[in-house]
Amino acid sequence: DAKTTQPNSMESNEEEPVHLPCNHSTISGTDYIHWYRQLPSQGPEYVIHGLTSNVNNRMASLAIAEDRKSSTLILHRATLRDAAVYYCIPFSGAGSYQLTFGKGTKLSVIP
Amino acid sequence: SQTIHQWPATLVQPVGSPLSLECTVEGTSNPNLYWYRQAAGRGLQLLFYSVGIGQISSEVPQNLSASRPQDRQFILSSKKLLLSDSGFYLCAWARGLFYGYTFGSGTRLTVV
Repeated sequence: DAKTTQPNSMESNEEEPVHLPCNHSTISGTDYIHWYRQLPSQGPEYVIHGLTSNVNNRMASLAIAEDRKSSTLILHRATLRDAAVYYCIPFSGAGSYQLTFGKGTKLSVIP
Repeated sequence: SQTIHQWPATLVQPVGSPLSLECTVEGTSNPNLYWYRQAAGRGLQLLFYSVGIGQISSEVPQNLSASRPQDRQFILSSKKLLLSDSGFYLCAWARGLFYGYTFGSGTRLTVV
């Protein structure tokens, strides 16, 4: 499995954009980059994923570096509900689709 | 639409007692199913996964076992619980590479 490096924690003011970085320098060429978040006392929630191109959905945007060794999850306007642990996960999607969670980044949103 | 059900939400069990947690998925067929555990203050640990009826793969040797008696049913069991089995147990299913995992709401197990 590709290893990931994420900041342990980050803070953001409410209504401001948040950029959550992830380094995955050992990612293979066929691994997708998935992002999940886990709100307190809940199961993880899928946020977004991508392979090479930047991706947008209703929750967030994902910017993937050209060499694919890093990616950034962008929350355009942080709300209090976005306070969670965010996980960046290289995902091969082959066979059993096993997701391996690291420690993630704990995002705090300040009112 | 697909939904995943997991119960019970909370459980307090004495050491040495048996355990059975059930997870069911609706609205899809032949899903990949997973059991994860999250100990207090720790990360998510994959325990078991199943790609079909009767097929179980174990990631971590331990006091627990899993079974998949039906296509959309996944059960986590133990014959004798240990204190170290306490944690937040999550069931998940995957419908494919382009959709990621969907997690259930979890069972918080406390072994006393």
